Amino acid sequence: GAGVSQSPRYKVAKRGQDVALRCDPISGHVSLFWYQQALGQGPEFLTYFQNEAQLDKSGLPSDRFFAERPEGSVSTLKIQRTQQEDSAVYLCASMEREGPYEQYFGPGTRLTVT
Amino acid sequence: LAKTTQPISMDSYEGQEVNITCSHNNIATNDYITWYQQFPSQGPRFIIQGYKTKVTNEVASLFIPADRKSSTLSLPRVSLSDTAVYYCLVGGDSTGFQKLVFGTGTRLLVSP
Repeated sequence: GAGVSQSPRYKVAKRGQDVALRCDPISGHVSLFWYQQALGQGPEFLTYFQNEAQLDKSGLPSDRFFAERPEGSVSTLKIQRTQQEDSAVYLCASMEREGPYEQYFGPGTRLTVT
Repeated sequence: LAKTTQPISMDSYEGQEVNITCSHNNIATNDYITWYQQFPSQGPRFIIQGYKTKVTNEVASLFIPADRKSSTLSLPRVSLSDTAVYYCLVGGDSTGFQKLVFGTGTRLLVSP
């Protein structure tokens, strides 16, 4: 079946621009996650949704970052007034339900802020 | 969150068995141990998960000693396509399975 998809795969933004990154999770997956991965580092947790509820946003680095999942399926990560330090790969993952189960990751969106 | 320590890199040759050990001295009672694999330009991929003793699936085995302060991922007969970064993670009810905490991982290079 279809996996997690993300769009766009690559995004170049000028500093100060707003960007929106989309995640389409696996159909029926209750949990959805966003991670940020800097070059040469492991992914870092940003935020977590259970259906449409954002239960944990402790990893969002600043108030310029926010995420939504209004209907409990597709999610959007929005970054306002992008800065160079926002350059990274943004990964989305979904999981069937809560618990010690595997997270299915998308290919990521590589954001470059110039 | 329980911290994990694993080697930064490892080298191997095709056909060999590779064992990557991860230390997690502060693992909590409810924590599970999970390993992910990541290829360049791809998201991490779940390999295996365990709580204690030994777990085996079609791609790997996970060995966990009784004290659970470490774990070893075993990849039998590696091929060139196993060249990737391998992450060891621990997490459980107290910390939330949702918040996967990745370290820097182990870069495995498999040569012909």
